[in-house]
Amino acid sequence: NAGVMQNPRHLVRRRGQEARLRCSPMKGHSHVYWYRQLPEEGLKFMVYLQKENIIDESGMPKERFSAEFPKEGPSILRIQQVVRGDSAAYFCASSLRTIMNTEAFFGQGTRLTVV
Amino acid sequence: ELKVEQNPLFLSMQEGKNYTIYCNYSTTSDRLYWYRQDPGKSLESLFVLLSNGAVKQEGRLMASLDTKARLSTLHITAAVHDLSATYFCASKLTFGTGTRLQVTL
Repeated sequence: NAGVMQNPRHLVRRRGQEARLRCSPMKGHSHVYWYRQLPEEGLKFMVYLQKENIIDESGMPKERFSAEFPKEGPSILRIQQVVRGDSAAYFCASSLRTIMNTEAFFGQGTRLTVV
Repeated sequence: ELKVEQNPLFLSMQEGKNYTIYCNYSTTSDRLYWYRQDPGKSLESLFVLLSNGAVKQEGRLMASLDTKARLSTLHITAAVHDLSATYFCASKLTFGTGTRLQVTL
């Protein structure tokens, strides 16, 4: 049973380009969470999705950021018109039930560098 | 807004000695999670504490939860070098600030 798979592991984008980060949850998991981690800092919650629905996006910046978790395929975190401040590690986690009631398992992360 | 605070933020430990990390959270929750992160790596789940008074132990690490005090502790017994990492507690969707542990000889 493969764990949470994120790709790419490393992504370099020029300012103004779009970044698309993918996350395939563990088999059987329908709850997906995205977090951002700046260097030497903790994890900041961005968005919580459950198949085709956004449950909580309170941590998502209002502009340029969007997330989806379609019925088929991975969850996607999209950042439009990237800026240098978007450089960070983006972690995806998945859980069998809501994270309120069960632990989440993390992917290896995507390290985004904006040049 | 849920806040999760850890202290200390940084802990330099001598090998063989005991230490404790504290995790306070601001709203009612009967579950608390501890994770470990090595530099440049992902997060590894260490403990899931599911109820008031829960205590779990794995090797030199022991975690406990007091839901009335909204406090969890992670106790390290006889620290060894391979425990050097950053440790996070989490309540619901919110992670603590992290405690970076460094074990010195």
